[in-house]
Amino acid sequence: QKEVEQNSGPLSVPEGAIASLNCTYSDRGSQSFFWYRQYSGKSPELIMFIYSNGDKEDGRFTAQLNKASQYVSLLIRDSQPSDSATYLCAVRAGANNLFFGTGTRLTVIP
Amino acid sequence: DTEVTQTPKHLVMGMTNKKSLKCEQHMGHRAMYWYKQKAKKPPELMFVYSYEKLSINESVPSRFSPECPNSSLLNLHLHALQPEDSALYLCASSQPGDVTEAFFGQGTRLTVV
Repeated sequence: QKEVEQNSGPLSVPEGAIASLNCTYSDRGSQSFFWYRQYSGKSPELIMFIYSNGDKEDGRFTAQLNKASQYVSLLIRDSQPSDSATYLCAVRAGANNLFFGTGTRLTVIP
Repeated sequence: DTEVTQTPKHLVMGMTNKKSLKCEQHMGHRAMYWYKQKAKKPPELMFVYSYEKLSINESVPSRFSPECPNSSLLNLHLHALQPEDSALYLCASSQPGDVTEAFFGQGTRLTVV
């Protein structure tokens, strides 16, 4: 099993603040990285993916990847109560596998 | 369309029953996955099919038997399960390869009694 580590949280931020979620991975051969959002009792929903070092922005979300440090992060700007969920970092380290971190539970306080 | 459809949504089965979970996608994806997710835990990879051939089996007990009859369908046959197998079973699909996104179905909530 590939190791993908996340702080389990819970992480609490006030509405309108920036939420910062972090993920580290053990396999240097990992090629692509994904952030999924999962509401309680629901299936994971893909919100961001990143393949290249640097930043990738999509609306209020920014994914950051540093392959040298084996680190990927997700920033959520202007956090909303509807962003409250568990955020799962997933790593593809070879064709056709996809391994998940333990997830970070985010609570946005109105 | 990024829809992956799983049926049934809920399933209660006894330890001596045989049942099947079904997954269907029409995105033209040629890789399909089964994951198991226990409460407050991340999804755990069980099986991966690539081009309708089993490519990954993460040491899953033989009471779980996957099948990929064609490029759009994925089944998980269940037999002689244990109560600890109760979980959310998730199907996902993607294009095969290192840098492709996977999309999940809504899952089947399985309870073994």
